[in-house]
Amino acid sequence: QLQLQESGPGLVKPSETLSLTCTVSGGSISSSNYYWGWIRQPPGKGLEWIGSILYSGSTYYNPSLKSRVTISVDTSNNQFSLKLSSVTAADTAVYYCARKLLRYFDPFDPWGQGTLVTVSS
Amino acid sequence: QSVLTQPPSVSAAPGQKVTISCSGSRSNIGNNYVSWYQQLPGTAPKLLIYDNSKRPSGIPDRFSGSKSVTSATLGITGLQTGDEADYYCGTWDGSLSAVVFGGGTKLTV
Repeated sequence: QLQLQESGPGLVKPSETLSLTCTVSGGSISSSNYYWGWIRQPPGKGLEWIGSILYSGSTYYNPSLKSRVTISVDTSNNQFSLKLSSVTAADTAVYYCARKLLRYFDPFDPWGQGTLVTVSS
Repeated sequence: QSVLTQPPSVSAAPGQKVTISCSGSRSNIGNNYVSWYQQLPGTAPKLLIYDNSKRPSGIPDRFSGSKSVTSATLGITGLQTGDEADYYCGTWDGSLSAVVFGGGTKLTV
């Protein structure tokens, strides 16, 4: 059964770069049938898609975050990563990683358990 | 302000039926399939419905989905207290070139 697990610092200072890694187990990240994505959820609020990546490195990002986001993949370690630069308090959220099929509207399934990242000095 | 509009909350008694609406436009729901997610308190979202009305393996048939033009609806029958959760719709928006979600609906049973 495929499982995803987010990891990274739980506290990031304003203006710095948030870095998270998602480790995939129970399946290969190198499958050509799936994108791998990041979604976030500010405390008490709704879901926001950040971006998605294919094993080949092909990416597409939320235009509202695109200037600050980089998603990369490490097939040798079955991981993909998120970097979000110049963070502010508005970037405080639970960050989830998830898998999706190839059509743009395909759903995310399954999801990791999520990791809370707080932006504060 | 979410691109997809959901009611903030709905409620119904155990055993009853409830529907949750998700309203969009031609650029999102009108031209793409819709998915629905259930988020139990303190947990990650879980896929309930995809391609407007299909249920993943393991999702009971008490959950159903439908779509009409630029709106989608999630239906839940035989409500249980364990169904208390936040429910989100999601799809692709071709004008925004982004995956979009509704603001979420809190179900109270």
